[in-house]
Amino acid sequence: DAKTTQPPSMDCAEGRAANLPCNHSTISGNEYVYWYRQIHSQGPQYIIHGLKNNETNEMASLIITEDRKSSTLILPHATLRDTAVYYCIVIYSSASKIIFGSGTRLSIRP
Amino acid sequence: GAVVSQHPSRVICKSGTSVKIECRSLDFQATTMFWYRQFPKQSLMLMATSNEGSKATYEQGVEKDKFLINHASLTLSTLTVTSAHPEDSSFYICSAVEPPGQTYNEQFFGPGTRLTVL
Repeated sequence: DAKTTQPPSMDCAEGRAANLPCNHSTISGNEYVYWYRQIHSQGPQYIIHGLKNNETNEMASLIITEDRKSSTLILPHATLRDTAVYYCIVIYSSASKIIFGSGTRLSIRP
Repeated sequence: GAVVSQHPSRVICKSGTSVKIECRSLDFQATTMFWYRQFPKQSLMLMATSNEGSKATYEQGVEKDKFLINHASLTLSTLTVTSAHPEDSSFYICSAVEPPGQTYNEQFFGPGTRLTVL
């Protein structure tokens, strides 16, 4: 079973920040938090990952709580192209097999 | 990031025939590739782990004789759906991972192959 819990759906206004939460209360000390997204009928796309510290790249920011039991993916300025299912995943490394949960379906409204 | 391709992107076949799907890592070598299946409105389900030069490891409930996986080189893994039936119709997705210590620290996914069995 997936080791994360995400809300099934969220919506956000275009241009605003989209904040997607994820609970991973059973995460172990050397497991990473990875985020992927899947646009309809495409393969998943890597977004970002982190271990303890907050991370930022050109796509998003990842905020991990100090106890590492939850995290938030932030899309700073959501566009219609960000409409997708977002998956939060906990794995030991990029080489680990991924057990996908049901993710969060993010809808961006104009 | 690195690119993973799949061929074909979509295929329609008759019941009882076999279909081969290719997964290639285009600009990196992948010692490990994974195969997933996704039914409409559902999440991805891991089918098997494919390691170059060795037998694939199948997840519980996945028939290894029906879904044949071959990872003959560091850039190519194939999934063959043998004696396909309509219930095998699905979206098949592969992913690829570099050996440890290389450039990328992420798993790259292919664009998927939509299989329709009539």
